[in-house]
Amino acid sequence: DGGITQSPKYLFRKEGQNVTLSCEQNLNHDAMYWYRQDPGQGLRLIYYSQIVNDFQKGDIAEGYSVSREKKESFPLTVTSAQKNPTAFYLCASNGVSTLGANYGYTFGSGTRLTVV
Amino acid sequence: QKEVEQNSGPLSVPEGAIASLNCTYSDRGSQSFFWYRQYSGKSPELIMSIYSNGDKEDGRFTAQLNKASQYVSLLIRDSQPSDSATYLCAVNIISSGSARQLTFGSGTQLTVLP
Repeated sequence: DGGITQSPKYLFRKEGQNVTLSCEQNLNHDAMYWYRQDPGQGLRLIYYSQIVNDFQKGDIAEGYSVSREKKESFPLTVTSAQKNPTAFYLCASNGVSTLGANYGYTFGSGTRLTVV
Repeated sequence: QKEVEQNSGPLSVPEGAIASLNCTYSDRGSQSFFWYRQYSGKSPELIMSIYSNGDKEDGRFTAQLNKASQYVSLLIRDSQPSDSATYLCAVNIISSGSARQLTFGSGTQLTVLP
């Protein structure tokens, strides 16, 4: 089945530690995105990538880093510089038709990160 | 002005009623419009997409688009308690620099009362 897989589902980070969240898709989508969601809040864009080996900062990129070495994979690292990382992290991808119609995002199931 | 605005709610309707969710957007060049449903603690799932003016129906859901008024809505007929969730409106805002990238509203929390 095609889809997006995020792992782990739950992650605990100690103060000063870097952690990496995994996002893998087999939908053959070029574009991938990382969002952060805090309780009762909307989605905030962290980073996005339109093509392999290229990515752009979103609205809240400080304290985060990404890589896009393969089309299928877009891992997110939460660095120690991110002072309030406790949140629900969502990865998404989207494709377009040959005529350019936007099909919308497919989301992964999310990773819940907690600082301990 | 936010690029995509939704009434934050919460919105409560009795079981069997019609729930009406509204969304306005700022970019007249937007071409693609989506509604996502997000249950508490879960990721958003796509329930409707609409690209042309008018209505699009899928089961109990109807999406309505009016590009002249920059307005998109979602109607849920015969609302069920299982429809209780947060509904996110998403629009491709051309000024974001990418036709693929979507901008999300903050969501409307819907509660259907038994």
